[in-house]
Amino acid sequence: AQSVTQLGSHVSVSEGALVLLRCNYSSSVPPYLFWYVQYPNQGLQLLLKYTTGATLVKGINGFEAEFKKSETSFHLTKPSAHMSDAAEYFCAVSDMNRDDKIIFGKGTRLHILP
Amino acid sequence: NAGVTQTPKFRVLKTGQSMTLLCAQDMNHEYMYWYRQDPGMGLRLIHYSVGEGTTAKGEVPDGYNVSRLKKQNFLLGLESAAPSQTSVYFCASSYASPPTYEQYFGPGTRLTVT
Repeated sequence: AQSVTQLGSHVSVSEGALVLLRCNYSSSVPPYLFWYVQYPNQGLQLLLKYTTGATLVKGINGFEAEFKKSETSFHLTKPSAHMSDAAEYFCAVSDMNRDDKIIFGKGTRLHILP
Repeated sequence: NAGVTQTPKFRVLKTGQSMTLLCAQDMNHEYMYWYRQDPGMGLRLIHYSVGEGTTAKGEVPDGYNVSRLKKQNFLLGLESAAPSQTSVYFCASSYASPPTYEQYFGPGTRLTVT
């Protein structure tokens, strides 16, 4: 069965510092991987996704993630945090065999310190 | 385009009462989903639909029923509400299977069962 593990339910970074949110996945077949963001009192919106091809994926708002098959990871990064990045971030996985559904991780809440 | 809308935004039920949550999308999407979000649990899939007249169970279907009589609407029913169903419910839709096509989320319905 597929699963996603997000390390750290809360992460705090200073404004201007590097943002690193960790995600590891488990899948018996090549995965599709996603990062979603949820701002307070809103639904989720897609930040970026990896399906095939280039392993470094760029998303909205300056975020990017790298698919590393050998490490079964899909960590999310941003070089310089902004106050507006404070939100909850969800990593998710799907696969080509069961592509009707996406399995979400438990989420990481990102706090930005002034 | 309104995107994905959910009705109501908030609701308080007493144990044993019933209610229906309505999700509507105006994007002509085939796929629709109901998730629940609980603190520290991420999003868990309740039921989903891959087209008008179809429904399927997700990860946590017990205590819920769904119907997709019209392509644009996906209803989630609670026949006899329980305190364990206190949660935030999100509806999502996508044009086709999620790995290829983005899921769009509604703003959520906050349900409290006392």
